[in-house]
Amino acid sequence: EAQVTQNPRYLITVTGKKLTVTCSQNMNHEYMSWYRQDPGLGLRQIYYSMNVEVTDKGDVPEGYKVSRKEKRNFPLILESPSPNQTSLYFCASSPWTDNTEAFFGQGTRLTVV
Amino acid sequence: QKEVEQNSGPLSVPEGAIASLNCTYSDRGSQSFFWYRQYSGKSPELIMFIYSNGDKEDGRFTAQLNKASQYVSLLIRDSQPSDSATYLCAVLMTTDSWGKLQFGAGTQVVVTP
Repeated sequence: EAQVTQNPRYLITVTGKKLTVTCSQNMNHEYMSWYRQDPGLGLRQIYYSMNVEVTDKGDVPEGYKVSRKEKRNFPLILESPSPNQTSLYFCASSPWTDNTEAFFGQGTRLTVV
Repeated sequence: QKEVEQNSGPLSVPEGAIASLNCTYSDRGSQSFFWYRQYSGKSPELIMFIYSNGDKEDGRFTAQLNKASQYVSLLIRDSQPSDSATYLCAVLMTTDSWGKLQFGAGTQVVVTP
């Protein structure tokens, strides 16, 4: 089954404790991206990657890091999480660099206390 | 000014009626437009995309694009309770680097029996 898999689905952590949210896709898509979704603000892009070893900032990259060492994986790293990073996070992938028909993961609900 | 704007709703629609959702965007050079549906607590799923001016129909859904006026709309005919969700308009921005899919905040649709 074609899918984008995020883990964990839910995470509660404390301020400053480094964490990684994993994202993996099995569709051989070149393009992957991370979004955060907050009430009233919609989906905002954090980082995206057009291929292995190629990443770039989205609208809200501060406080986040990503890496793309393999085509299928695109982890999101919070080196020192803060409460304002409490949000619902989505990973997405698509088959072309113009980001058509993005497929989303199930989402990760992160709470930083 | 937000780059992609939608009315937040909720838009209340009687079952069997037509739901009309609107979206305006600021990037005059944008060429690709998408409508996603998101059920509460779930990830967005693509329901329509449109690239050319005019109408595009897919089942009960019709997307309409007017690049001169910079708006895109979605019509849902014969609305069903299962159509109750938040509908996200997304625009592929061209004024920035590749890969920036800009989302509106979404319009909540409630179909009442």
